[in-house]
Amino acid sequence: DTGVSQNPRHKITKRGQNVTFRCDPISEHNRLYWYRQTLGQGPEFLTYFQNEAQLEKSRLLSDRFSAERPKGSFSTLEIQRTEQGDSAMYLCASSGDRLNTEAFFGQGTRLTVV
Amino acid sequence: GENVEQHPSTLSVQEGDSAVIKCTYSDSASNYFPWYKQELGKRPQLIIDIRSNVGEKKDQRIAVTLNKTAKHFSLHITETQPEDSAVYFCAASKSNTGKLIFGQGTTLQVKP
Repeated sequence: DTGVSQNPRHKITKRGQNVTFRCDPISEHNRLYWYRQTLGQGPEFLTYFQNEAQLEKSRLLSDRFSAERPKGSFSTLEIQRTEQGDSAMYLCASSGDRLNTEAFFGQGTRLTVV
Repeated sequence: GENVEQHPSTLSVQEGDSAVIKCTYSDSASNYFPWYKQELGKRPQLIIDIRSNVGEKKDQRIAVTLNKTAKHFSLHITETQPEDSAVYFCAASKSNTGKLIFGQGTTLQVKP
């Protein structure tokens, strides 16, 4: 499968613990995005990278959230001191940087905070 | 701020009928409008998109129209089939970032 890959697919964690998710984009894509989706809602933008540079962060991304894309390839999203409100599907997407190219989504990581 | 409104939230049609979903965007600088289909437990998948330099695009049973002046765009599905049942999301973005602002989604049910 040469699409966007996310790991793990599911994560159950206790409140207060830290979690880290990984996204491997399509190899030739320069742009990488993180979104959060809760039940019955559309995906909400969290942050985006152009190569290794993090160019925009949503106000939704509190200081407990941090994302990296160290070599412009895979990306990680870390949530520190998880709260029950963090429970959601975390989606990663990638695209090329030509004008208006399609964004391909991964299958997501479903986080449950208990 | 950036916002996309989508209606209706649920839509039920008989197989063979047409379905129309409408979206309105707030940022006049938006120039790319994709539509995604998401089946339960699966990733969003692009079904059709339109760029701001055209007013209509069609792909078999699916068409999208764009009215830049009114900041409206719509998805039209003709001859619906049970396998069209899913959640559909519209989105808007600007080419400088590609960041997608999604609507709230429409749950389409096609009854056999």
